Amino acid sequence: EPEVTQTPSHQVTQMGQEVILRCVPISNHLYFYWYRQILGQKVEFLVSFYNNEISEKSEIFDDQFSVERPDGSNFTLKIRSTKLEDSAMYFCASSGLAGHTGELFFGEGSRLTVL
Amino acid sequence: KNEVEQSPQNLTAQEGEFITINCSYSVGISALHWLQQHPGGGIVSLFMLSSGKKKHGRLIATINIQEKHSSLHITASHPRDSAVYICAVRIMSGGAGSYQLTFGKGTKLSVIP
Repeated sequence: EPEVTQTPSHQVTQMGQEVILRCVPISNHLYFYWYRQILGQKVEFLVSFYNNEISEKSEIFDDQFSVERPDGSNFTLKIRSTKLEDSAMYFCASSGLAGHTGELFFGEGSRLTVL
Repeated sequence: KNEVEQSPQNLTAQEGEFITINCSYSVGISALHWLQQHPGGGIVSLFMLSSGKKKHGRLIATINIQEKHSSLHITASHPRDSAVYICAVRIMSGGAGSYQLTFGKGTKLSVIP
């Protein structure tokens, strides 16, 4: 069964460092998303991406964040200068042709710990 | 601001019991998702609904658009069903569905043998 894969599963970094989280969506999917979940809180939308550009982003997704699809398979989330409050589980998801009506497939998540 | 409310927050059931988890939302939506979050943190999509009812194995999801309410039912519950169940909605904006999902806080289900 096709799946969304994320790397790394866990990353520990120092405050102020840059972090790149990687995702390989399902191969024929066209819509890509990043979500985050701070420990003990609900999942929050960060950004959606379609046709090589951001479709929507939340208030959380400020200038410290960026997304990219560098090579047609990977979908990355970059945090330029991490803060303590960026510690969270980050989930990548993808969906097929009908982006806003399509079923979502989630990766297993990347846990980011900022010290 | 749309809120997605789930009830109960925590639920403990004996193996074999019929379980219902409820979700209410406050604005128009284009779709509602039920998700399962494993103890390790991974999220699996169970259902996506825009109307009516869907069934997959022992899981049944229903939605009432007029009442802005959805339920997830688990028949013949089993300890392996123990997880957090999350309701999430796609808000209808400008006649089309948003790409954003707004999530509920989740319902933690524990099924005891």
